[in-house]
Amino acid sequence: DAGVTQSPTHLIKTRGQQVTLRCSPKSGHDTVSWYQQALGQGPQFIFQYYEEEERQRGNFPDRFSGHQFPNYSSELNVNALLLGDSALYLCASTKGTSGSFTDTQYFGPGTRLTVL
Amino acid sequence: TQLLEQSPQFLSIQEGENLTVYCNSSSVFSSLQWYRQEPGEGPVLLVTVVTGGEVKKLKRLTFQFGDARKDSSLHITAAQPGDTGLYLCAGPTTSGTYKYIFGTGTRLKVLA
Repeated sequence: DAGVTQSPTHLIKTRGQQVTLRCSPKSGHDTVSWYQQALGQGPQFIFQYYEEEERQRGNFPDRFSGHQFPNYSSELNVNALLLGDSALYLCASTKGTSGSFTDTQYFGPGTRLTVL
Repeated sequence: TQLLEQSPQFLSIQEGENLTVYCNSSSVFSSLQWYRQEPGEGPVLLVTVVTGGEVKKLKRLTFQFGDARKDSSLHITAAQPGDTGLYLCAGPTTSGTYKYIFGTGTRLKVLA
């Protein structure tokens, strides 16, 4: 049973560029959340997708957008990259319409984004 | 703004020693979770505590949720090198049902 997978593993971009990160949830999971983890910090919630719609959003600018596909996979897009966007981007999946906090989140290994 | 502050930030100990990591907030949480994250990997859930005063044990790890549900602790007995990693606490926010916040993290290194 495949867990949460993310691609690419590493990515280097320059300021002003745009990037797309991809996530495939664990088999049987229908909810995907994205997090940004700066070096030495805990993850920060970006947004959550359920039934192909953004269900909840954290304190991130509109430069951060996402999409969920009918097969539950998801993309995170970041436009007009800034140096401060350099971080590990984590995807987590859960199963459950409630989206309850006590539903176990399974995290992928992350995509390391470096903005030069 | 809800915050989860963890202490200590860094901890380096010898194999066999005991340690406690703390997760504190001025806000009440309905539940808290503890995760461990190893280099190059995403966080892995260790435990969820939901009742004030609750104590849960996972082998050599003991988790406690404060009576007032504003704090939690993780105690490791006889630490082993395999316990090395970043320990994170996390909780649901009051500003959104599906929005979670994570603590600042405690980086633990256990030396053989």
